[in-house]
Amino acid sequence: AQTVTQSQPEMSVQEAETVTLSCTYDTSESDYYLFWYKQPPSRQMILVIRQEAYKQQNATENRFSVNFQKAAKSFSLKISDSQLGDAAMYFCAYLRGSNYKLTFGKGTLLTVNP
Amino acid sequence: ETGVTQTPRHLVMGMTNKKSLKCEQHLGHNAMYWYKQSAKKPLELMFVYNFKEQTENNSVPSRFSPECPNSSHLFLHLHTLQPEDSALYLCASSQGTRVGTGDYEQYFGPGTRLTVT
Repeated sequence: AQTVTQSQPEMSVQEAETVTLSCTYDTSESDYYLFWYKQPPSRQMILVIRQEAYKQQNATENRFSVNFQKAAKSFSLKISDSQLGDAAMYFCAYLRGSNYKLTFGKGTLLTVNP
Repeated sequence: ETGVTQTPRHLVMGMTNKKSLKCEQHLGHNAMYWYKQSAKKPLELMFVYNFKEQTENNSVPSRFSPECPNSSHLFLHLHTLQPEDSALYLCASSQGTRVGTGDYEQYFGPGTRLTVT
């Protein structure tokens, strides 16, 4: 079974600084997809960024970028120029290429300090 | 309304009550999902519906009964719940369930915070 591990239950960052959230996963599949979701205090889970395993280039969405290390099974999220609105729980998720089942990590609570 | 909506947002019920959670998606998607989010635990997939047909029941107790009358609406009927069922219940939808066709991304609703007393 696939597992997703987020080793940092909580992280904090100063406004305008950069923070990196860690995620590792365990799989024997070669075809899969990885995601970072954000869940602010309002509870709406929002997709932040996605990465297809077959793509070598790291995904980027504005201030959000990932460092995808396929051999190491690592998928970290970097948030640049952190803003107060970035404060949320961040979930790393894995999707196997052959089905639709998302496997989530336990999440990292990010606090942004003014 | 846009995206995925859920009602009610908060629900308190006794162990002998019967209640229902409602989810509606306004994205034209064909697949809908129920997840359970408990404190300190990863999200757990409960049910999956694709084109109104249930394609996944992740060993969920029968006191949870899903219903999908059409591709836009999904219900979760609750009966004789236990205190450990208290959690945030999230609904999600996706265009389809076939990965590789670009329709796999799941969009979530705001959730229903359920408290069982």
